[in-house]
Amino acid sequence: EAGVVQSPRYKIIEKKQPVAFWCNPISGHNTLYWYRQNLGQGPELLIRYENEEAVDDSQLPKDRFSAERLKGVDSTLKIQPAELGDSAVYLCASSPQGENYEQYFGPGTRLTVT
Amino acid sequence: EDQVTQSPEALRLQEGESSSLNCSYTVSGLRGLFWYRQDPGKGPEFLFTLYSAGEEKEKERLKATLTKKESFLHITAPKPEDSATYLCAADSNYQLIWGAGTKLIIKP
Repeated sequence: EAGVVQSPRYKIIEKKQPVAFWCNPISGHNTLYWYRQNLGQGPELLIRYENEEAVDDSQLPKDRFSAERLKGVDSTLKIQPAELGDSAVYLCASSPQGENYEQYFGPGTRLTVT
Repeated sequence: EDQVTQSPEALRLQEGESSSLNCSYTVSGLRGLFWYRQDPGKGPEFLFTLYSAGEEKEKERLKATLTKKESFLHITAPKPEDSATYLCAADSNYQLIWGAGTKLIIKP
């Protein structure tokens, strides 16, 4: 069974530029999460989807971040415009049930903003 | 405020030297305590879920235990391949609160 797929794996952009990350969860997993992880810290939840619906986006900086999960399968996270402080690893995870059931993580996208 | 604290930040052991990692939590309405392993350049990998004080779970050289205030990840006779960062997370009212992790290095 394929795991959670993320692309790109690495991205380097200049500040003020836009960037997008893509995630394809494990087949059949209804719940999808986007996290941000800074070096030496645990993941920080940005948004959680149950199928197509964003059920927890309280930590998403909505002035510059947006996300969508069309058709309840794959998802895209966008930052526009990027700031230096956005440099981090962006992780996508999925789970077969809602509300923090065992989560399966992708390899992440390492973003560097210069 | 809900909080999860892991200690130590880093731990270096000789191969075969057993030890424990600590995860202290202060959360309201704990619904579960999760342990994950994270290798460099990869996402976290699920290890265990503990639901109630007194519960224990084992996997190979790892054993996780839970009390009302903390969880321990015991590692017995570790091998170099056990080197990784170990993360714990507490499910507090359907929100996962993550610790910063313990970086474990096992020297051959």
